[in-house]
Formats: sequence, structure tokens, C-alpha cells
Amino acid sequence: SQQGEEDPQALSIQEGENATMNCSYKTSINNLQWYRQNSGRGLVHLILIRSNEREKHSGRLRVTLDTSKKSSSLLITASRAADTASYFCATVLIGGATNKLIFGTGTLLAVQP
Amino acid sequence: GAGVSQSPSNKVTEKGKDVELRCDPISGHTALYWYRQSLGQGLEFLIYFQGNSAPDKSGLPSDRFSAERTGGSVSTLTIQRTQQEDSAVYLCASSLARSGETQYFGPGTRLLVL
Repeated sequence: SQQGEEDPQALSIQEGENATMNCSYKTSINNLQWYRQNSGRGLVHLILIRSNEREKHSGRLRVTLDTSKKSSSLLITASRAADTASYFCATVLIGGATNKLIFGTGTLLAVQP
Repeated sequence: GAGVSQSPSNKVTEKGKDVELRCDPISGHTALYWYRQSLGQGLEFLIYFQGNSAPDKSGLPSDRFSAERTGGSVSTLTIQRTQQEDSAVYLCASSLARSGETQYFGPGTRLLVL
């Protein structure tokens, strides 16, 4: 079963605009990761934020984590057509014997040129 | 260096046949994972291998599914007596052993059971 939900399910914006996606999860985590998927195939790792971190940046990406609300957000600034993809958050549970990822439902982002 | 590779890229089979899916992890990665992505279930964990430890098979949906990892490297996921609901993209990922490390995914195998 999936750990949580992402919203919106789909997002359409114009090139140059910012895109914000939200992820909520249910149980305590070790870390939360964001992945991008193009055309329903391999997942590309974007960024990892640990449970003791509140914000992290990587290029045009900004991720926040609020463990009290069990939520995270991914902000993509100055979006480009090439950012069009599905974005998934995934959590690694605290205390788990494995580091298996539990995925959210995903957000489909379309960036219009 | 080379990333995670999977073969075949696509597989079409008839209901009731067995299929084998292969994963080559990144060299040096001792942890290997299989996931499945289907329309109805989203992305879900199947099985995890870590070194010589017993695998975590908690995500396998039925006893028709099995996986092995030979020599701590290549892994094969086998689905026996395939059913139409097995149609999905099967994704393999590998990572370093340390807790919380990033998982690197292969391109997946798209399985269609007719």
C-alpha cells in the first residue's frame, strides 16, 4: 500500500513559471526522496531530505520537509518544457529493516512552451 | 560509470507462461530492489536483497513471484504462470548498503500478458 498522497494529481503551467507539488505521508520516516519519471519508464532521483532537515536546494529544485505535519513540498523554479514528467515522493520508514521506498501517488506536470 | 540495466526492455507473453526479468545493478552496490508499477496499484515494493542476508520478500504479491540474486550482483525476477494482472513495468534499483542511501533505478521492463 502507498505511504501517502501527492497533490495536485496533475499540474499544467507555462514555461518560466514555478511549479509546486505536495506530498503527505502517514508514518515516521528516516528520509524522503523525490523522483522524476519520463514516459512511464525509469525513475530519476532528484533530491533526498533527511528527517532532521527542513529544507534542501539543488539547482532549480527546493524541497521542504515538515515532520510535524508529515508533509513535504517540491518547488521547481523557472520551469522548462523539459521538466514535463511525473514526479513522485518516496519515503524510507524509520526503524525499518530495509530501505525500501514507499511511493506516493505522483503528480503529472506539464510545462507548456 | 554504467547505471542499472534491465532486460528485456519489453516483454509480451501469453497468460500461463513463465517469464524471467533481469537486472544488472551498479557495480559495488550491495543493495538491490525490485518494484512494480501498474495502473491500479501505482509504484510498489516487491523484494529487497542486501549482501548475503536473507531477502525481504514481503512485497511479493503471490507465490508465483520469486527472485534470486547470484553472486551478490545480477538479479532475476521470475513470474510463473503469468496472469493478465501481472502486466506492469518492473523496475529494479540498487544502492550502497548504508541506511538511507539514494536508490538508482534502471529503465524498467514493460511486461504485457495477453
